[in-house]
Amino acid sequence: DIQMTQSPSSLSASVGDRVTITCRARQSISSALNWYQQKPGNAPKLLIYAASRLQSGVPSRFSGSGSGTDFTLTITSLQPEDFATYYCQQSYSTLWTFGQGTKVEVK
Amino acid sequence: QEQLVESGGGVVQPGGSLRLSCAASDFTFSTSALHWVRQAPGKGLEWVTLISYDGNDKYYADSVRGRFTISRDNPKKTVYLQMNSLRPEDTAVYYCARDPITSYGPLDAFDIWGQGTMVTVSS
Repeated sequence: DIQMTQSPSSLSASVGDRVTITCRARQSISSALNWYQQKPGNAPKLLIYAASRLQSGVPSRFSGSGSGTDFTLTITSLQPEDFATYYCQQSYSTLWTFGQGTKVEVK
Repeated sequence: QEQLVESGGGVVQPGGSLRLSCAASDFTFSTSALHWVRQAPGKGLEWVTLISYDGNDKYYADSVRGRFTISRDNPKKTVYLQMNSLRPEDTAVYYCARDPITSYGPLDAFDIWGQGTMVTVSS
């Protein structure tokens, strides 16, 4: 399995802040990296696929970058509805794996 | 509206079995790969298994291989997860999720998720 490691595990931020979450793969996964947002009691929601492609309907304040082993999710101006847990996920191998999640909390 | 609806969760004793179902509506089910993803209470997401659009290819996480079996019935637009030899650590919300085919090939991401069904393994 390809291990995915996110950092930080949690962060505190204020509305309007720029937030960056990183995800590192144990081996190169090219651009086969996706980002999801999950709010309590809800299923995850796809934000970014193929490392940098914005899913339809997702606000443009969300962006993704990276390739190989290091990836970043950026929220340029945090909105109240963005407080949630974010997961990266690789689809490079036939056994898909998730990062452990990053919880974005109110500062 | 494109959606997935899971059912079949419940409480089962260790060593027992359960079959989950995931029914799809309003999308071309037969061209989509389907996955199961689970989330233990208060924990992160864990990918469990996938089945290709035609059912010919199946892959499993190490934690469930040999105990869980994924299958699909395309005319019924339903995917199943047969879970045998259940353990307390299998307790989780189980989601089914779609990996659709696009004009450029598989999306290789989950664009639609079900609402989840809870499985509790306890004596």
